[in-house]
Amino acid sequence: QSVLTQPPSVSGAPGQRVTISCTGSSSNIGTGYDVHWYQQLPGTAPKLLIYGNTNRPSGVPDRFSGSKSGTSASLAITGLQAEDEADYYCQSYDTSLSGWVFGGGTKLTVL
Amino acid sequence: QVQLVQSGAEVKKPGASVKVSCKASGYTFTNYAMHWVRQAPGQRLEWMGWINAGNGDTKYSQKFQGRVTITRDTSASTAYMELSSLRSEDTAVYYCARGSYCSGGSCYSGGRLDPWGQGTLVTVSS
Repeated sequence: QSVLTQPPSVSGAPGQRVTISCTGSSSNIGTGYDVHWYQQLPGTAPKLLIYGNTNRPSGVPDRFSGSKSGTSASLAITGLQAEDEADYYCQSYDTSLSGWVFGGGTKLTVL
Repeated sequence: QVQLVQSGAEVKKPGASVKVSCKASGYTFTNYAMHWVRQAPGQRLEWMGWINAGNGDTKYSQKFQGRVTITRDTSASTAYMELSSLRSEDTAVYYCARGSYCSGGSCYSGGRLDPWGQGTLVTVSS
């Protein structure tokens, strides 16, 4: 069971908008530690998608955006494209565990 | 560009140990932390631990404490992860990932992991 909770799957048609939630607690997201998001395409290593809650690394399209509030965070993807089909993971730091924690991952299907 | 290149796939018997390497290039190796994360087939990412590549300080996940050892060779800009007493449940892809910038002997807790190595498949089977 993951410390950060994500929906197992989300789906949307091309061009639509989807959001992926990441729910934590007062020992991780709620303490003020940043949330980071990773995209994992099939058969490849995870790639940083959003860092510091809202920031996009160079090269990541502005169709991807992140937000954080209280003990939760969200990833939004607008203008869905077929190549967005992947697994998405949130990550933060947990003070009780004294370590990095990941969400369980969300599989995005583009219909 | 910043790049992490890992060693090749391994097949081990239960009870054995495995040591995976991660060679860094494109940045000053000793200025950053290096993390290890694993992913069992079809499963989520699981953080194992990290090393301050500058001074060698380590921190391990409670789950792996006592079985995992993370080291580094600064002359080779390479980090290593050794996992002992292997069992079938340890079959997974093991990733290294660069962590936070370290300064004054300490690294920021909670930073992002970027970039990641390509992964090393470790198969534990009798």
